[in-house]
Amino acid sequence: QKEVEQDPGPLSVPEGAIVSLNCTYSNSAFQYFMWYRQYSRKGPELLMYTYSSGNKEDGRFTAQVDKSSKYISLFIRDSQPSDSATYLCAMTPNAGGTSYGKLTFGQGTILTVHP
Amino acid sequence: NAGVTQTPKFRILKIGQSMTLQCTQDMNHNYMYWYRQDPGMGLKLIYYSVGAGITDKGEVPNGYNVSRSTTEDFPLRLELAAPSQTSVYFCASSSPPGTYPYEQYFGPGTRLTVT
Repeated sequence: QKEVEQDPGPLSVPEGAIVSLNCTYSNSAFQYFMWYRQYSRKGPELLMYTYSSGNKEDGRFTAQVDKSSKYISLFIRDSQPSDSATYLCAMTPNAGGTSYGKLTFGQGTILTVHP
Repeated sequence: NAGVTQTPKFRILKIGQSMTLQCTQDMNHNYMYWYRQDPGMGLKLIYYSVGAGITDKGEVPNGYNVSRSTTEDFPLRLELAAPSQTSVYFCASSSPPGTYPYEQYFGPGTRLTVT
């Protein structure tokens, strides 16, 4: 079983749709959860981060973490063609010390938003 | 600030050749990382460094070597290139894990083909 599982898609939606991206994980030590966005032929860029369980909202984006279910989600409201990219979930214990900031990534979900 | 820079952007190697992928950051980060990204596989950690002179293996270190003589530079060396090393390589840097918010900043990547 992979430590982090992400549905690779691809996912194609019309402009204005609500998009839901999800990851499950097996390591209960993970405390810090991130979503990176990666445009074609570019490096990943941090989009959202959440520490422990709960919700976080930033504009059209909402990140949710449910540690009891080991499940994280990213919601995109009113999706735009400019949201077309690969979305990668990533997580780490972020306890300092021996974690050394090592991130475990999901496989990435390719999202296309068409006009 | 240029952030994290990587050279070259593209490279084609023949089987058995060697090369060094260069990575430089100007954010005075002690922590630096090398990842590889294969299609549909997310990012896998190759090596990381917690400061000048200190490096350690990640998840997939075989066939690679690193050195860290300065805070700014973290080169990745491929010896005896094999087709399995065909991938996109990303360098990243960060402030110490345990800080909040925690973020790894990625370079633009090096696309390597071994034939």
